[in-house]
Amino acid sequence: EPEVTQTPSHQVTQMGQEVILRCVPISNHLYFYWYRQILGQKVEFLVSFYNNEISEKSEIFDDQFSVERPDGSNFTLKIRSTKLEDSAMYFCASSEYERHSFGEGSRLTVL
Amino acid sequence: GIQVEQSPPDLILQEGANSTLRCNFSDSVNNLQWFHQNPWGQLINLFYIPSGTKQNGRLSATTVATERYSLLYISSSQTTDSGVYFCALAYSGAGSYQLTFGKGTKLSVIP
Repeated sequence: EPEVTQTPSHQVTQMGQEVILRCVPISNHLYFYWYRQILGQKVEFLVSFYNNEISEKSEIFDDQFSVERPDGSNFTLKIRSTKLEDSAMYFCASSEYERHSFGEGSRLTVL
Repeated sequence: GIQVEQSPPDLILQEGANSTLRCNFSDSVNNLQWFHQNPWGQLINLFYIPSGTKQNGRLSATTVATERYSLLYISSSQTTDSGVYFCALAYSGAGSYQLTFGKGTKLSVIP
């Protein structure tokens, strides 16, 4: 069964540094997403991407964040000037319609 | 947006016991998914169950969309069932199907 893959699985960075999280969605899926989960809390929607542009974003997704589909397979989340509160698990997901498939997550630790 | 409530928030079971987890939601949407988050933080798809009943081994789920609830049944629980169980529903925005998650039920199965 096709899977969503994410890299890295874990990243440690210093406050103020830029981080890029990478995802390879399932190839025939049309919609791509990033979600965030702060430790001990629920999973929250960040942004969705469809037809090569952002289709929806939450209030969490401010100017510090950006997404890109640099080629036909990768989907990236860039976090500029990281803050301590950006420490979380970041999940990439893709879907053909409503049914999501999630990657295994990228755990970001900001020191 | 959609409101999703899960109960109970915490559940401790003896190995071999059965349990029922509940998910209530505010809108009559028909795209509910159940996930298991394992101790490593990975989100595992359990069921995509817009309506009706599905079974997969010791797990089964029932959704009654018209009454806005879903139930996840775990029979003969094992220690590997421990973790957090989330239900989530998709909100169909403009060109997107982002999920709204409940806060989860934390299940601990003790030997």
